[in-house]
Amino acid sequence: RKEVEQDPGPFNVPEGATVAFNCTYSNSASQSFFWYRQDCRKEPKLLMSVYSSGNEDGRFTAQLNRASQYISLLIRDSKLSDSATYLCVVNRDQGSQGNLIFGKGTKLSVKP
Amino acid sequence: GAGVSQSPSNKVTEKGKDVELRCDPISGHTALYWYRQRLGQGLEFLIYFQGNSAPDKSGLPSDRFSAERTGESVSTLTIQRTQQEDSAVYLCASSLGVGWAAPQHFGDGTRLSIL
Repeated sequence: RKEVEQDPGPFNVPEGATVAFNCTYSNSASQSFFWYRQDCRKEPKLLMSVYSSGNEDGRFTAQLNRASQYISLLIRDSKLSDSATYLCVVNRDQGSQGNLIFGKGTKLSVKP
Repeated sequence: GAGVSQSPSNKVTEKGKDVELRCDPISGHTALYWYRQRLGQGLEFLIYFQGNSAPDKSGLPSDRFSAERTGESVSTLTIQRTQQEDSAVYLCASSLGVGWAAPQHFGDGTRLSIL
């Protein structure tokens, strides 16, 4: 099982739609989870952290399911500007490659 | 500055030349990371520094790649005898530490093109 696994997409949705991405992780000891957003030919930017109790930031909701080892991102009322690749990020035990593992991303395309 | 700064933003060079990429992390961030991203691909981890030390350099693709960090600040990634497969965006990130709760903040990257 890959350390962090995401459906690469693309997810093509109309404006105003609700879309959800899932991400699975392999290390049951992981404690920190993030969603990053990467626009085409730009650097990744932190979108939100994912807390155990779930958290919401405007149209974005992140959930954590420890038992099944997955996190999710829900985007409501999609905007054209939401088009991007969404990276699932999970911490690893302190080791040779730093603290975070980045998934390869799920591509979202919001159409008018 | 407020964010991670990388230079140059773009670099075009001939195969076989050496290149040096620079990263200025966010002030106070003790951890610094280098990644490579080829077009349409995910992030490929290269190396990270805690302070001025790199715990493990095995992520570097070949012995043509080296990196250093000084003053717990600026880092330089050097690629010797560049090859066409080195063409990619090289991203630097920094974080407050390598603690598990510390998110990484990225620079704009250096887009490297080898002719």
